[in-house]
Amino acid sequence: DTEVTQTPKHLVMGMTNKKSLKCEQHMGHRAMYWYKQKAKKPPELMFVYSYEKLSINESVPSRFSPECPNSSLLNLHLHALQPEDSALYLCASSQVRGDSNQPQHFGDGTRLSIL
Amino acid sequence: AQSVTQLDSHVSVSEGTPVLLRCNYSSSYSPSLFWYVQHPNKGLQLLLKYTSAATLVKGINGFEAEFKKSETSFHLTKPSAHMSDAAEYFCVVSNGGSNYKLTFGKGTLLTVNP
Repeated sequence: DTEVTQTPKHLVMGMTNKKSLKCEQHMGHRAMYWYKQKAKKPPELMFVYSYEKLSINESVPSRFSPECPNSSLLNLHLHALQPEDSALYLCASSQVRGDSNQPQHFGDGTRLSIL
Repeated sequence: AQSVTQLDSHVSVSEGTPVLLRCNYSSSYSPSLFWYVQHPNKGLQLLLKYTSAATLVKGINGFEAEFKKSETSFHLTKPSAHMSDAAEYFCVVSNGGSNYKLTFGKGTLLTVNP
């Protein structure tokens, strides 16, 4: 069992839908991350939150909108997605951003399919 | 700048034989290095990490890795493969500092034959 919980595990949506991905951790970590992973590729960083503030946005299209309501929760709001956005979306957390000794802990991801 | 090269995209072994997954890195800083494993339809699980303490690092499930600065390598080994080890393995380097990002290798798919 992972300590980072992501819901839903699977999501199928049309290009005009609005949906949200959720991530929760109770390890007291103060940095949280969203990654996108395509099949047979390593994860690609999308966003980094540090102490509930957005600190890195890797030039992600505005149809992806992150939100960090508190130190345990991270959401990713989706709107008007494209078929190429179909992927595994991974959430991760670490104790603090900037400490390279601290590993990131990953959830099992949400498998997103855009029709 | 930092980079990671996993030298094999696919490694196939028989159950009970040794596993060697190779990783070379480059980093401007004194790096932290990690190995993660990803089973099908799962997230990434941390196997082990090197953070400038002992150069031989022991991880979970019998895996270990040796940091060799002179060779800029961080190869992952296991004495005896088990069927449950079949998965994708990622070597990862961290640069720390104010722009903390992980740099992933392209991954090595490990197949374990009965």
